[in-house]
Amino acid sequence: DGGITQSPKYLFRKEGQNVTLSCEQNLNHDAMYWYRQDPGQGLRLIYYSQIVNDFQKGDIAEGYSVSREKKESFPLTVTSAQKNPTAFYLCASSVSRGGEQYFGPGTRLTVT
Amino acid sequence: SQQGEEDPQALSIQEGENATMNCSYKTSINNLQWYRQNSGRGLVHLILIRSNEREKHSGRLRVTLDTSKKSSSLLITASRAADTASYFCATPDLDSSYKLIFGSGTRLLVRP
Repeated sequence: DGGITQSPKYLFRKEGQNVTLSCEQNLNHDAMYWYRQDPGQGLRLIYYSQIVNDFQKGDIAEGYSVSREKKESFPLTVTSAQKNPTAFYLCASSVSRGGEQYFGPGTRLTVT
Repeated sequence: SQQGEEDPQALSIQEGENATMNCSYKTSINNLQWYRQNSGRGLVHLILIRSNEREKHSGRLRVTLDTSKKSSSLLITASRAADTASYFCATPDLDSSYKLIFGSGTRLLVRP
């Protein structure tokens, strides 16, 4: 059963703590992406990775960090430097540049 | 800056009616994609139309693309309550075609 998994579905943290969101795919896709979605808004790109051990900043990378040590995994760390971290985070992957992206179910992060 | 902008922002129709959503974009594109998002879920790819195509069908979905007007439309025929969702258009970024730029979406409500 191929797809993208994100865990956990809901995450609660205190302000000032770093938190890591998990994203795993078994689609054998080279490219992976992290997006942030705020209520009633579209998606904004945080980071993307075209291939293992390589990643680029998206439009809103400040306060976030990623790693891509394995093809299947692309974890996102929301650091304490992110001023407004409460949001819905979506991970995606694609087989080719500019092509269809496959999305995970998302993680809703609440920081208080 | 946002590439795709959907119109209307919200649409409410009766089951069985057709729903039309529009997307306008600013620069030249290789393709344009439409995605659906059910509340609190990840996005699902619906259809991709290439810049040299004018119309594409998939089941009850019909997408048109007018590159001279830099616009696309998504038509859902004979709508069902299960079509209630947000619909987004997305286009590959010119500088890095791995990146998709999403509009802010159209929220569709299909009343039973």
